[in-house]
Parts: sequence; C-alpha cells; structure tokens
Amino acid sequence: EPEVTQTPSHQVTQMGQEVILRCVPISNHLYFYWYRQILGQKVEFLVSFYNNEISEKSEIFDDQFSVERPDGSNFTLKIRSTKLEDSAMYFCASSRGEGNTIYFGEGSWLTVV
Amino acid sequence: GESVGLHLPTLSVQEGDNSIINCAYSNSASDYFIWYKQESGKGPQFIIDIRSNMDKRQGQRVTVLLNKTVKHLSLQIAATQPGDSAVYFCAEIKAAGNKLTFGGGTRVLVKP
Repeated sequence: EPEVTQTPSHQVTQMGQEVILRCVPISNHLYFYWYRQILGQKVEFLVSFYNNEISEKSEIFDDQFSVERPDGSNFTLKIRSTKLEDSAMYFCASSRGEGNTIYFGEGSWLTVV
Repeated sequence: GESVGLHLPTLSVQEGDNSIINCAYSNSASDYFIWYKQESGKGPQFIIDIRSNMDKRQGQRVTVLLNKTVKHLSLQIAATQPGDSAVYFCAEIKAAGNKLTFGGGTRVLVKP
C-alpha cells in the first residue's frame, strides 16, 4: 500500500538553527500538506501546497517557515531559525485532489533545545 | 502522537464489545468528514470518511454516522479488539478547501 514517508524520524536541534524536514508524498498525489502536533495537543494545519505553490497557510506558518518541492518526489518543510516552541511532531500528508482523502506520514519529531 | 497533558475523554471498552465515539463539529460549511486513528508515536491513520450528502457509511467493522442537523459525527467500531486501542480524531474539511480541522480526540482503551 502506498504511503507517505518522512525523514528524519527524530531530530534534536539547537535554538536558532535551521531545520529541514523531508517528505516523499504518495506518488500520484497532487496536494501536499504539513501539519504539526505539539505534545499533548491536537493536530494543527500548517500549510497546503498545490501546483508548485502554497494554496493555504495558517497563522502558525510565519516567515520562519517555508516549503519546497525541489524535485518530482520530495516535499520539504524548512524552519529558518528554530525556537523552543517549534518542538513538536511534524506530519507530512498528501491527497490525490481537492476533497479527497488526506493520508499522513509517520511524522518527524523535532526537539529544539 | 502521545496525548499526555491533553485531557482526552476516555472510552474503556471490553474486548469484543462495540464502541461508539462521538464528535461535534462546528462549521456548518464543512462537507467532508474523516475519522483518523492515532497510535502512540505514530501519524494519523485514515479509518473512514463521509460526505455531507450521506448520513451513514460502513466499512470493515466500522460505521460512521453523520447528523447535520445537530452537527454531530459518530464512529462505531464493532467487536472491538486490543489493536483498536488508540486516540481517535474526527476531522472536517470545508467545501472547496483542503484544510483539515481536527477535533480534540477520544482515547479508546480496550480491556482484554
């Protein structure tokens, strides 16, 4: 069964450092997303991406965040200068189209120290 | 995936019994609803979905019911098994959008 894959599974970084989280969405999917889940809280939407551009973003997704699809298979989330409050599980997700089921990866656990 | 610190409603159910998990949604413009299962340390796993033009949909051992009048969604799990122990989230998508809004979740504990 096709799945969304994410790397790394866990990353520890110092405050102020840049972090790149990587994702390989399901191959025939056209919409890509990043969500995050702070420990003990709900899953929150960060950003959606379609046709090589951001289609929607939340207020969490400020100038410190960026997304990129550098090639035909990868989708990345970059946090330019990490803060302690960026510590969370970051989930990549993808869907075939608008209104289709959104499938999640296993997550990348980011710890900022 | 851990929900430590979040005061989740918890449903304890005996193995083999049926489970019913409820969810209230707030946006009457939502037209697509999904139930996800999240095990500890893992990502949300799709269980079943339903569109707003339906009021019931069945899958393997699971049934989702949608009551648009009172904006209520429920997930029924038949013959609950130990592997069903997890946190269950409902999520909604507004018409003409792709942003999932998750509910607060319910923890299901299956007792052997």
